[in-house]
Amino acid sequence: GDSVTQMEGPVTLSEEACLTINCTYTATGYPSLFWYVQYPGEGLQLLLKATKADDKGSNKGFEATYRKETTSFHLEKGSVQVSDSAVYFCALPPGGTYKYIFGTGTRLKVLA
Amino acid sequence: GAGVSQSPSNKVTEKGKDVELRCDPISGHTALYWYRQSLGQGLEFLIYFQGNSAPDKSGLPSDRFSAERTGGSVSTLTIQRTQQEDSAVYLCASSQGADRTDTQYFGPGTRLTVL
Repeated sequence: GDSVTQMEGPVTLSEEACLTINCTYTATGYPSLFWYVQYPGEGLQLLLKATKADDKGSNKGFEATYRKETTSFHLEKGSVQVSDSAVYFCALPPGGTYKYIFGTGTRLKVLA
Repeated sequence: GAGVSQSPSNKVTEKGKDVELRCDPISGHTALYWYRQSLGQGLEFLIYFQGNSAPDKSGLPSDRFSAERTGGSVSTLTIQRTQQEDSAVYLCASSQGADRTDTQYFGPGTRLTVL
């Protein structure tokens, strides 16, 4: 069945370091792919999305490219800030359904 | 405008009791989801409502779980005869329509603790 695999956390970085959080998927067809973020004490919110292969989603300095060749949707940021400390979730709606699958989340901690 | 709201924010109950969790979606959003987030786990899909269509209940873990959505708006998730393994954060989300590219807007969640 369809699935999402995220890298294990926590990830601890110093401010201004480069970030990559890996997400790979198994899916029927080419579903839309999403990154959601949960800041401390807040609800989940959409960070970015890509709706078809080779699309790049971007928001708040974060980017992710929908790569069907490697079935990946890695989240990247060139220079992280303390305010980026949060839990990041990769997600997709499998097989033409609305039964969204979320990864287990990757906790990012950015130190000043 | 107002976001998705959930109540109560915290619920502590004894094993075997029934609980009701409420979700008020964003006005005008036709799609509504319930998820469960257990400690250290990702979100687990429970149920999906779209307008007046029959809900997709395929994620409900047992027949102790049920949900309804009245008038295409407010939704209630009911857990009967609660068990300790039901302890989790229950999240509700709504989205504008039936497009799978639509953004889901999440509520703050209800933290359920079963003693």
